[in-house]
Amino acid sequence: DTGVSQNPRHKITKRGQNVTFRCDPISEHNRLYWYRQTLGQGPEFLTYFQNEAQLEKSRLLSDRFSAERPKGSFSTLEIQRTEQGDSAMYLCASRRGTVGEQFFGPGTRLTVL
Amino acid sequence: KNEVEQSPQNLTAQEGEFITINCSYSVGISALHWLQQHPGGGIVSLFMLSSGKKKHGRLIATINIQEKHSSLHITASHPRDSAVYICAVGDGNYQLIWGAGTKLIIKP
Repeated sequence: DTGVSQNPRHKITKRGQNVTFRCDPISEHNRLYWYRQTLGQGPEFLTYFQNEAQLEKSRLLSDRFSAERPKGSFSTLEIQRTEQGDSAMYLCASRRGTVGEQFFGPGTRLTVL
Repeated sequence: KNEVEQSPQNLTAQEGEFITINCSYSVGISALHWLQQHPGGGIVSLFMLSSGKKKHGRLIATINIQEKHSSLHITASHPRDSAVYICAVGDGNYQLIWGAGTKLIIKP
């Protein structure tokens, strides 16, 4: 296993368009996390899954954001009607169990024009 | 006051110097993480600590649970060590609480 992968690595879109990102975690990891990082800031928690169940969502996750992990493996994060303020690096991490180390993907950098 | 504070915010040093980055936290934790982020890049986990000391190559991380303090040390620093180093604490639930990061520049 080569670790956590994310696609695409970069996405440029126009304001108002919808975008979808994918995260493939390490295969035996049951927990999957999404974070957002804006320039010069630390990552902010968005949501996490245990297997296919979405257990927690940050208040940062407006109704334009939705995340799924349909079979408890890969996850998608969709942003509808993108705004310029959505421009950020979207990071995915996975881990085994509740106390293991989180392993991060390379991130998807979103630019909304 | 932030729950996780790092110091310094920025650090510039010459190649070969011994580097120390500090992290203090004010919440109860299950574990403390040190992570590295290169410009434009993803995040790499360096250490996860719940007590004592860990060493990987030239990197050493220590934690003092009683004092709620951790340090990351880099021995014989090299320009390729230049990155942002982030301290994050796990609160035992689902979140990592992140420090603001320390931007390290090692000059040749």
